Amino acid sequence: GQQLNQSPQSMFIQEGEDVSMNCTSSSIFNTWLWYKQDPGEGPVLLIALYKAGELTSNGRLTAQFGITRKDSFLNISASIPSDVGIYFCAGLRMNYGGSQGNLIFGKGTKLSVKP
Amino acid sequence: DSGVTQTPKHLITATGQRVTLRCSPRSGDLSVYWYQQSLDQGLQFLIQYYNGEERAKGNILERFSAQQFPDLHSELNLSSLELGDSALYFCASSNSGANVLTFGAGSRLTVL
Repeated sequence: GQQLNQSPQSMFIQEGEDVSMNCTSSSIFNTWLWYKQDPGEGPVLLIALYKAGELTSNGRLTAQFGITRKDSFLNISASIPSDVGIYFCAGLRMNYGGSQGNLIFGKGTKLSVKP
Repeated sequence: DSGVTQTPKHLITATGQRVTLRCSPRSGDLSVYWYQQSLDQGLQFLIQYYNGEERAKGNILERFSAQQFPDLHSELNLSSLELGDSALYFCASSNSGANVLTFGAGSRLTVL
């Protein structure tokens, strides 16, 4: 089945640091999405990417749709304490008939604050 | 508040039992998606309904079933529960495809 490999699995951040995470796949995706999940809540969409090579920002967050369409990257600049949580990448492909497939999620990157 | 309502928030039950999870989609959304989130598997797509009809099936076990009612709310039925069914179950809704899902807060199922 389709799999998304998300890394790192977890990371510790210090306030003010920049953070990077990525998602790779052996399959091509037409859309890449990045979600954030806070404890006790469902995932919330952060950024959606629709074109290979696209670079999109949402405040301090920047995400890129890889040129090969098999990967995506998320960067968080100047992290703040409320950035802690689990970040998920998700990919969407078109089915053979041209209809939209379903979202495939990575296993998440857990961001914690350095003690 | 995302506008997607899931009940119950927490549920503890025993192996072999049956439970029903409920989801009310965001106003105006015709599609409902169910996902299972366990510690080691991440978010796994189970099933999608659109305006009352099953639209797509993912990794949903035969012991699980779902339906979407005329008022667009959906129920996920889990039967003959096993320990491994313990997980967070999320419902998401959309009015324009899987790239714009709005998730509920989830139902946490614990099977003892």
